[in-house]
Formats: sequence, C-alpha cells, structure tokens
Amino acid sequence: SQKIEQNSEALNIQEGKTATLTCNYTNYSPAYLQWYRQDPGRGPVFLLLIRENEKEKRKERLKVTFDTTLKQSLFHITASQPADSATYLCALAPIKAAGNKLTFGGGTRVLVKP
Amino acid sequence: GAGVSQSPSNKVTEKGKDVELRCDPISGHTALYWYRQSLGQGLEFLIYFQGNSAPDKSGLPSDRFSAERTGGSVSTLTIQRTQQEDSAVYLCASSLARTSGRTGANVLTFGAGSRLTVL
Repeated sequence: SQKIEQNSEALNIQEGKTATLTCNYTNYSPAYLQWYRQDPGRGPVFLLLIRENEKEKRKERLKVTFDTTLKQSLFHITASQPADSATYLCALAPIKAAGNKLTFGGGTRVLVKP
Repeated sequence: GAGVSQSPSNKVTEKGKDVELRCDPISGHTALYWYRQSLGQGLEFLIYFQGNSAPDKSGLPSDRFSAERTGGSVSTLTIQRTQQEDSAVYLCASSLARTSGRTGANVLTFGAGSRLTVL
C-alpha cells in the first residue's frame, strides 16, 4: 500500500541550530514533492516544491533534497528561530498527473527553543 | 476573494444531526480539495474537484459524506447523521491545477478550516 511517513515525534532544537526533517514514501512515483508549514488553528501554508529531476531546492533558510532512489526527502531549516516552531508536512502528487490529489504525511512538529 | 474562505469556523452539533460546511475558493482556481484533520493527526484526503471532470471521491469515509461544487466555484461538504468520530477540522484548499504540460502549478492554498464537534 502507499505510505508517506514523517517522524511523529516532535523535534526539539536550540535556536541557531539546523533542524532536519525526513519524509519517506513507498509505492509512489511522484512527479514532485511539496513541503507545507502548519501553525496551530490554521491551515497549512505552502513552502517549497521540488520536482523528480531536481536534487535540491533552497528558499532563504530552507533547503529541501529529493532522492527518488531512496524514496526520501529531507527538509532543513538552517539558523533556526523560535518563529520556525510549527508542524511541517510533506505532500506528494502522482507522476505526470497535474491536478490529481495531493497526499500528505502526518507531519513533524518542530519546537525551537531560545 | 483574496484567500480560501470556510464557514462556519466552528460547529457544535448533536449526534445524528446533519451538517453542511462551506468552502469559497480563490477566484479562478479550478481545483478544490477537502481534507479532514483529527487532533494531532495529518491530513486525510476526502474529495477532489477538477474543473468539469467527475470528482475523485475515493477518500470519503462513508456514504454519510457527500460534497458538491456549484458552478465550478463554491463547494459544500455535507455530513449526514453525524457521529462522534466525525469530530475533526475540515480543511478546504484550492489550486490553479493544470491538466497538461509541466506540472508544478498544483500548489494548494488552504482555508482556516471548520472545526466540527459532535456531542
């Protein structure tokens, strides 16, 4: 069966350090992978998209890698700040099927301590 | 509007009653999604509308759940004979999904959600 797995344990990290989150998937061949941020009581907000033929994508202090052989994406927050505390969700879409349903992982909560 | 609007933001109902949740997507967005999120859990896909195509209902948990999208815009999610396990936040999202060519436009914009509590 298809699965998207993220570490369900909260990640506690000291301000200024790099937080690294993992998204593993099985039985998918995604065209791309997305990362979203969700704050309590709010809907998820899009952060980054990485395509199947891209190895790495950066946006400010965020970096995403995508290894289709390992079926894994890593999400890094460098120089973390308390304002980065949130739940981070990865999401996949089927290959060559623009507009089809986006399936989400369970999310990993990040807590950055000052 | 500027964002995805959902109503009501909070709904408390008694077991067995029907509820309707409304989603007003971003103008021009052709794709609309409903997800359900239970406390501390990830997003569970419910249903997806794309343009005039038949909706993908594969995530609806039972026949008590239904959704429609009128005029390619506003969507209503209806839950009949609510049960306590239906208690969750129901999230709507829309996107400018394209049906051909280079993918990547399927970035979802979410509403704030409708929190449903079934007593």
